Amino acid sequence: EPEVTQTPSHQVTQMGQEVILRCVPISNHLYFYWYRQILGQKVEFLVSFYNNEISEKSEIFDDQFSVERPDGSNFTLKIRSTKLEDSAMYFCASSDPTVAEAFFGQGTRLTVV
Amino acid sequence: RKEVEQDPGPFNVPEGATVAFNCTYSNSASQSFFWYRQDCRKEPKLLMSVYSSGNEDGRFTAQLNRASQYISLLIRDSKLSDSATYLCVVNRRGGSYIPTFGRGTSLIVHP
Repeated sequence: EPEVTQTPSHQVTQMGQEVILRCVPISNHLYFYWYRQILGQKVEFLVSFYNNEISEKSEIFDDQFSVERPDGSNFTLKIRSTKLEDSAMYFCASSDPTVAEAFFGQGTRLTVV
Repeated sequence: RKEVEQDPGPFNVPEGATVAFNCTYSNSASQSFFWYRQDCRKEPKLLMSVYSSGNEDGRFTAQLNRASQYISLLIRDSKLSDSATYLCVVNRRGGSYIPTFGRGTSLIVHP
């Protein structure tokens, strides 16, 4: 069964460092998403991506964040100058079409120390 | 008003019980509706889609009332393995359709 895969599963980084979280969406999906979930809180939308550009982003997705689809399979989230409050689970998801259900990767647990 | 609202619970029920969860959404242009299940520190996994006509999958029944902007999930004959957080997800209309999550309802099924 096709699945969304994310790497790494856990990333520990020092405050102020840059991190790149990687995702391989389901191959025939066209819509990609990043979400984050702070421990004990709800799953929050960060950004959606379609046709090689951002289609929508939330207030959380400020200049500290960027996304890229560097090749035909990977979808990355870059967080520059990480802060303690960036510590969370980051989930990648994909869907096709956009009104269909989204499938989620297993997440990357980011810990900023 | 929050985009997707759920009672956080927890709902603490014995095995075999029937339990119902509710969810309301604010964006009337929302297109698609789902229930996901999330186990502790795991990713959300699709449980079932929700249709206006109602749909059933084994012990699970989902209903949608578009007029009231209300979604429900009924679990019959609860199992210990049903213990999890149940997430109401609405593909709300913005620039595109974005899966938008409720806070989730925690279910604990005890022996």
